[in-house]
Amino acid sequence: GQNIDQPTEMTATEGAIVQINCTYQTSGFNGLFWYQQHAGEAPTFLSYNVLDGLEEKGRFSSFLSRSKGYSYLLLKELQMKDSASYLCAVMDSNYQLIWGAGTKLIIKP
Amino acid sequence: TAGITQAPTSQILAAGRSMTLRCTQDMRHNAMYWYRQDLGLGLRLIHYSNTAGTTGKGEVPDGYSVSRANTDDFPLTLASAVPSQTSVYFCASSDTSGRATGELFFGEGSRLTVL
Repeated sequence: GQNIDQPTEMTATEGAIVQINCTYQTSGFNGLFWYQQHAGEAPTFLSYNVLDGLEEKGRFSSFLSRSKGYSYLLLKELQMKDSASYLCAVMDSNYQLIWGAGTKLIIKP
Repeated sequence: TAGITQAPTSQILAAGRSMTLRCTQDMRHNAMYWYRQDLGLGLRLIHYSNTAGTTGKGEVPDGYSVSRANTDDFPLTLASAVPSQTSVYFCASSDTSGRATGELFFGEGSRLTVL
């Protein structure tokens, strides 16, 4: 079956760096997405990786290794507003998105 | 502002009643989706439509139906609601044409409680 694994919850300190991991097993691969979802709100797009390597976008970076079925989202200079759930999703060979359950990130002052 | 609109925002429904959740987008995206989100679970796809006039079943389609009469609208109907359909429902759209990444744009969600 298809599976996306990510930690349920993580805690980090304001101003620090945090890495949220995602491992996947899917039928084919057509890209990996990270979304941010604040409590009570809709998910919003953060990043897309289809080739191996690091994609940097401001304070956020996303890394992909297709051979290892692994990605991470790196958040630098953490701010209180970064407290949210981070969703990993993989597009399979049928171009359908398979979603992880999300990682709730708690930022402490 | 351009985007995707869902209605109602929240609803309490008696079991056995029918309900239609509305979804409209003005981005001219070809693909639209309905997801449900439950605590501790990932987003689960209910139904999708790759283009106007076509629909497909997702991971959890039972008890739900959809239609896609035009590009902009994608309503979700619960014919006879049951308590297990209590959830937050998200409509989403994406451009899946050649160069697009397929990034999803989500509506604000509809919180449905079935009693």
